[in-house]
Amino acid sequence: DQQVKQNSPSLSVQEGRISILNCDYTNSMFDYFLWYKKYPAEGPTFLISISSIKDKNEDGRFTVFLNKSAKHLSLHIVPSQPGDSAVYFCAATSQGGSEKLVFGKGTKLTVNP
Amino acid sequence: NAGVTQTPKFQVLKTGQSMTLQCAQDMNHNSMYWYRQDPGMGLRLIYYSASEGTTDKGEVPNGYNVSRLNKREFSLRLESAAPSQTSVYFCASWDRVGRNFGQGTRLTVV
Repeated sequence: DQQVKQNSPSLSVQEGRISILNCDYTNSMFDYFLWYKKYPAEGPTFLISISSIKDKNEDGRFTVFLNKSAKHLSLHIVPSQPGDSAVYFCAATSQGGSEKLVFGKGTKLTVNP
Repeated sequence: NAGVTQTPKFQVLKTGQSMTLQCAQDMNHNSMYWYRQDPGMGLRLIYYSASEGTTDKGEVPNGYNVSRLNKREFSLRLESAAPSQTSVYFCASWDRVGRNFGQGTRLTVV
């Protein structure tokens, strides 16, 4: 049973446009959410996070939105750049628990020049 | 500051052989993790250690053992490798501030 779902395996956008990556979760105990970016042959790197007490967190070109009632979060990248081309993983955890991170399967983003 | 260091980076094993993947972190984090990444499967937790001296099973622990040698080091052992364990393995450490992954070990079992 997949607790964190990224239903789009891939996404292609033009440079300069907005990229929107989506993530859904099923476990209502999750209260902390993270996005990781992964280039080929490298380990995942942390991008941005959001606590369930917020509905938005912004860091430069990256914004994460959280809709707790829908158990949905999204990552917006504006403007998208070719260097953003990577696999993006959504992850979730319960801070009061063991701090295990549960990952989605990832979305491969391609930003075309 | 090296972060999380994994060795080796690549390894080919024959079915039935054993090996240990090493992981060390220099950030004084309490929690350490082993994940495997397979195509179309994302990252799946094998084992984790919430603190020195403790280890717990994750989502896919069968065929693996772990040792939390000290606060810095967390090793993953395959006692009898199987082709189904062909994967990329990532070690990670984190606390409430830092979330860090190693560069990965690409393991092929033939």
